[in-house]
Amino acid sequence: AQSVTQLGSHVSVSEGALVLLRCNYSSSVPPYLFWYVQYPNQGLQLLLKYTSAATLVKGINGFEAEFKKSETSFHLTKPSAHMSDAAEYFCAVSSPNAGNNRKLIWGLGTSLAVNP
Amino acid sequence: ETGVTQSPTHLIKTRGQQVTLRCSSQSGHNTVSWYQQALGQGPQFIFQYYREEENGRGNFPPRFSGLQFPNYSSELNVNALELDDSALYLCASSLGRQTELYEQYFGPGTRLTVT
Repeated sequence: AQSVTQLGSHVSVSEGALVLLRCNYSSSVPPYLFWYVQYPNQGLQLLLKYTSAATLVKGINGFEAEFKKSETSFHLTKPSAHMSDAAEYFCAVSSPNAGNNRKLIWGLGTSLAVNP
Repeated sequence: ETGVTQSPTHLIKTRGQQVTLRCSSQSGHNTVSWYQQALGQGPQFIFQYYREEENGRGNFPPRFSGLQFPNYSSELNVNALELDDSALYLCASSLGRQTELYEQYFGPGTRLTVT
């Protein structure tokens, strides 16, 4: 069975500092991996996804993530935090072997606070 | 092009009642997925509809049911509401079923409170 673990339910950084949000997955086959962002009172928005092409994936708003099979990780980074990055971030996984039933399995989320 | 919309925004129901939540998918999208997001939790997959047929279901009891209409809008019905059903219900539409190929576009959600 697939699962996702997000280390750290709350992360606080200063404006301009590096953002690092951690995600580890469990899957018997190389998975598809996603990062979503949820702003208060809004729906989820896709930041980036890994689908077995390049292991370093660039997304929107300056975010990127690196797929590391040996570490079963897909951590999200941004070199310099902006106040507008404050939101809830979710890592999700789906299986290439699930045929058309490729549901997303979600982590519990990490709340990112950006301090001035 | 309008995005995914959901109605109502908020809803308060009493335990044992039934509720219907609605979702209008983005133009051209034939796939709708429903998720339950409890407070402080990640979304949990309820089910997905593709071209009016159920295409996968999560670990939810049969009292959670759905429909997809010819215009690809969708409903989520929950019977015999329980207190634990209180959550944000999210709808997402996409151009197809494969999550790695087609981005899911989420609506703002319906906040259901069961008292």
